Amino acid sequence: LAKTTQPISMDSYEGQEVNITCSHNNIATNDYITWYQQFPSQGPRFIIQGYKTKVTNEVASLFIPADRKSSTLSLPRVSLSDTAVYYCLVGDLEAGNNRKLIWGLGTSLAVNP
Amino acid sequence: NAGVTQTPKFQVLKTGQSMTLQCAQDMNHNSMYWYRQDPGMGLRLIYYSASEGTTDKGEVPNGYNVSRLNKREFSLRLESAAPSQTSVYFCASSRGTGANVLTFGAGSRLTVL
Repeated sequence: LAKTTQPISMDSYEGQEVNITCSHNNIATNDYITWYQQFPSQGPRFIIQGYKTKVTNEVASLFIPADRKSSTLSLPRVSLSDTAVYYCLVGDLEAGNNRKLIWGLGTSLAVNP
Repeated sequence: NAGVTQTPKFQVLKTGQSMTLQCAQDMNHNSMYWYRQDPGMGLRLIYYSASEGTTDKGEVPNGYNVSRLNKREFSLRLESAAPSQTSVYFCASSRGTGANVLTFGAGSRLTVL
């Protein structure tokens, strides 16, 4: 499966929009891009998933350019409670392929007052 | 809805002791997973079960055994605990088809002295 590269850490302030970019140069045709959020002492939680163009839900937006070699998670108007680690993962949706996902260190986002 | 429930949340063992981590999901998911998370490393897959009645090794299976007791429950056993198994353990489940998003439990923090 495609390996991903994302910044180790980011800082922001309450009320700002935060964009976290993930590189996945070797993404395959059948691969989807999935983002998870992890708070301290909790398990990761699904945020958003997409294949191409733009996906939006009540929490975030995901922007994927035409070549799909990168993706950007956008968090609008962050609050202190958005302080967490954000993971970008790439893989296809076939049954059993979760076992091949490569979890990196993610991006540690700190939101300051 | 409970989602994925893990027990215990905390456990301290002495080297050589055995214990079982329990996991149950109430989402009628087919696939279940056990991960460990260590400082400075991403989540690593220990074992997974694609469906009831099947289990397979993941990236770091040595020192562990698993049992898929039924569709709901997937347990992880340490037969003879070692200090290297000090970690936070997460159980997860997924539908197994389609969107294949992982749902994680809250984690079990294990310390082996």
